[in-house]
Amino acid sequence: DAGVIQSPRHEVTEMGQEVTLRCKPISGHNSLFWYRQTMMRGLELLIYFNNNVPIDDSGMPEDRFSAKMPNASFSTLKIQPSEPRDSAVYFCASRRVGDRGTEAFFGQGTRLTVV
Amino acid sequence: SQQGEEDPQALSIQEGENATMNCSYKTSINNLQWYRQNSGRGLVHLILIRSNEREKHSGRLRVTLDTSKKSSSLLITASRAADTASYFCATVVMDSSYKLIFGSGTRLLVRP
Repeated sequence: DAGVIQSPRHEVTEMGQEVTLRCKPISGHNSLFWYRQTMMRGLELLIYFNNNVPIDDSGMPEDRFSAKMPNASFSTLKIQPSEPRDSAVYFCASRRVGDRGTEAFFGQGTRLTVV
Repeated sequence: SQQGEEDPQALSIQEGENATMNCSYKTSINNLQWYRQNSGRGLVHLILIRSNEREKHSGRLRVTLDTSKKSSSLLITASRAADTASYFCATVVMDSSYKLIFGSGTRLLVRP
């Protein structure tokens, strides 16, 4: 298995533009996380899906952020409009739900820079 | 909000020495996991300890868990330069969500 695949790896965009980050979880995993990592705030959980359904989105910063999981093999995190303070590394992770003990597998992240 | 806080924030040791990192958390947990992150990369799972376990070993790693104090420690024995990375604890909270919440991390530098 290729692991969790995120795209793009790097994104530079201008303030006000829409940004879409993509994630393909590991086949057979039905739990997916989106995290944001910055020096100031560390690794923050943004949203968490089980079986394609959002379970907890309390970490989503504001209405400019939205996430979808239309099927078990694909998820998107969208920021519209983007702002410089959204600059961070965004990670997607997946695991097998139903077994509380399983580890999460992380993608390589998308480094977002909003100028 | 972050569930776990780790200390120290940064640790610098000589190759061959042991490295100990600590993690404290706030709520009841199902299990606690430790992850490693190399600069610019995703996190990689190292070891998991369940709430009914007190100690676990994996190679040069030793993890302890004290649920009464809501704390855990990760010991890396006989450290190597390649162990240089950031280390994070993560808790699976004791509710129906099973979400994974990460601590603030410890940056470990192992000097050759």
